[in-house]
Amino acid sequence: DQQVKQNSPSLSVQEGRISILNCDYTNSMFDYFLWYKKYPAEGPTFLISISSIKDKNEDGRFTVFLNKSAKHLSLHIVPSQPGDSAVYFCAGRGSNYKLTFGKGTLLTVNP
Amino acid sequence: DTGVSQDPRHKITKRGQNVTFRCDPISEHNRLYWYRQTLGQGPEFLTYFQNEAQLEKSRLLSDRFSAERPKGSFSTLEIQRTEQGDSAMYLCASSLALGRTSSYGYTFGSGTRLTVV
Repeated sequence: DQQVKQNSPSLSVQEGRISILNCDYTNSMFDYFLWYKKYPAEGPTFLISISSIKDKNEDGRFTVFLNKSAKHLSLHIVPSQPGDSAVYFCAGRGSNYKLTFGKGTLLTVNP
Repeated sequence: DTGVSQDPRHKITKRGQNVTFRCDPISEHNRLYWYRQTLGQGPEFLTYFQNEAQLEKSRLLSDRFSAERPKGSFSTLEIQRTEQGDSAMYLCASSLALGRTSSYGYTFGSGTRLTVV
């Protein structure tokens, strides 16, 4: 039972353009959704989150949108930079602050 | 304190051997989590502690796995009689037990990569 799905294993964009990473979930009990970024040989690092009662949260170049009726969220990165190239994980927060992660999307930003 | 530390970074072991990993969380964090990540997958929850109490264990944590957090500080994860299917990245994370309205995410360590040959 995959409660959090990231259906695009990879995404390639040009530097300066927008990157849009998508995530779908099935568990209505998640109270927060979080995005993590992971470089090879490192642990995931927290990027941005959104409460389940909000529809948008913005932090600099990063904006997360939540469509609760569609059980869908997306992460927008504008403008994309080569240093943003990494694997991005979407996660839902449930009981005991436990996170359920998707499989990740590899973002490549080309100079 | 620079973050969550995990030791060792890499471990190669023969099938059937026991291994133990250590995690040192951020000092003021009272919650500690263990996750496992296999190739092509996201991290999967294994277990978590609040202070020294182990409050939840995943079905993924078979009888061969045991975790401890004596005195609510560092934690160890032991795998007995390792199998090739145990090969994975084992991630430790810590956080403060803030209220439900907090969006604070965990801080993860760099992980221990286990290879069972």
